[in-house]
Amino acid sequence: NAGVMQNPRHLVRRRGQEARLRCSPVKGHSHVYWYRQLPEEGLKFMVYLQKENIIDESGMPKERFSAEFPKEGPSILRIQQVVRGDSAAYFCASSPFRGAQTVTGELFFGEGSRLTVL
Amino acid sequence: SQQGEEDPQALSIQEGENATMNCSYKTSINNLQWYRQNSGRGLVHLILIRSNEREKHSGRLRVTLDTSKKSSSLLITASRAADTASYFCATLIQGAQKLVFGQGTRLTINP
Repeated sequence: NAGVMQNPRHLVRRRGQEARLRCSPVKGHSHVYWYRQLPEEGLKFMVYLQKENIIDESGMPKERFSAEFPKEGPSILRIQQVVRGDSAAYFCASSPFRGAQTVTGELFFGEGSRLTVL
Repeated sequence: SQQGEEDPQALSIQEGENATMNCSYKTSINNLQWYRQNSGRGLVHLILIRSNEREKHSGRLRVTLDTSKKSSSLLITASRAADTASYFCATLIQGAQKLVFGQGTRLTINP
């Protein structure tokens, strides 16, 4: 029973390059969340997706950031023209039901992708 | 501003003692959850308490919820070195479909 798989675990990019982070949810989960965490801080919500739909992207910057969760394959968080301020850990979480309103309500987290922008 | 705020930001105790962390939030919630994060790792769900519940237990964990004060506490009894981690509360806000996390409490258990 594989949990949430994120890759790469570590990614180094120079300013202006693109970063592409992948997330495969728990098998059978159709809802994916992306969060960003700066050092010594909590998680900031970015986007909530279902298969082929973006449900809530209120936490995602309007420019340079995009997310998708296609019918087949992993969810992708894409950051174009990265800047130093994008350096952070990006966590993906999945849930089997609508939002987090399940019997347990818990989210299952991956180990994160740590982006460093030089 | 953050929906959930933990207090204290950092806590250091001796092994065997009890650790208490508090969380305050601002808006009406459906449930409140606590998660643990070991250094450099992802978050692990610990316990969930619904808005109509006042107290919940799971092993050495005890969670309380006071909706009138918009606050929750997490008690870890008989702490162990392996409990050293950051602990986050997260709220499922009514009408929303996302968990909002607090800043966390960094707990250190000294052997």
